[in-house]
Amino acid sequence: EADIYQTPRYLVIGTGKKITLECSQTMGHDKMYWYQQDPGMELHLIHYSYGVNSTEKGDLSSESTVSRIRTEHFPLTLESARPSHTSQYLCASSAAGTGAAKNIQYFGAGTRLSVL
Amino acid sequence: AQTVTQSQPEMSVQEAETVTLSCTYDTSESNYYLFWYKQPPSRQMILVIRQEAYKQQNATENRFSVNFQKAAKSFSLKISDSQLGDTAMYFCAFIPSSGTYKYIFGTGTRLKVLA
Repeated sequence: EADIYQTPRYLVIGTGKKITLECSQTMGHDKMYWYQQDPGMELHLIHYSYGVNSTEKGDLSSESTVSRIRTEHFPLTLESARPSHTSQYLCASSAAGTGAAKNIQYFGAGTRLSVL
Repeated sequence: AQTVTQSQPEMSVQEAETVTLSCTYDTSESNYYLFWYKQPPSRQMILVIRQEAYKQQNATENRFSVNFQKAAKSFSLKISDSQLGDTAMYFCAFIPSSGTYKYIFGTGTRLKVLA
């Protein structure tokens, strides 16, 4: 069972609101990721982090921002939500190093966002 | 550029039968990891199986096994004795052993197991 948690699971919000999607992991993983996924479709990487105070934009341009102040926490913020942001957002983490878990990505349950 | 291709958008299989999902990839890296992930409807994405490129032996996990052909850059997933709970989206993924920590995912194969 993966110890990576996302809140909220579902969010319905009006246009123009600021929102923060939370992601936390208790596995001590240094790498964390945010993906955007429309239901039943492919994953698009929007942000990733190699460790504390390191964040990078992913392959899909996104108006969201992220921060990584603590190893276990990787929140995603939308300053002004729009209907085009309606999607599912998946958080994931992984560790390098050695062993059976090397490079395995663990996923949270996702946040399904609907912007009206 | 590194790419992962899943050429079967949708597949179906009868319960208890065997099905194979295909995945091909392109890379100039010599060592890397390949994965199959399963995403059941409205549920969490979980790892099915992992293969390290330098290992010749194909990975197996219970009813799930892979056919890893490094020269052909092919990484297919075989599901034996299919169960209704195997109904899900299956994603093939790749990551080099060193350098970037970005995973490359295929577009997914939607598998439906029929009773």
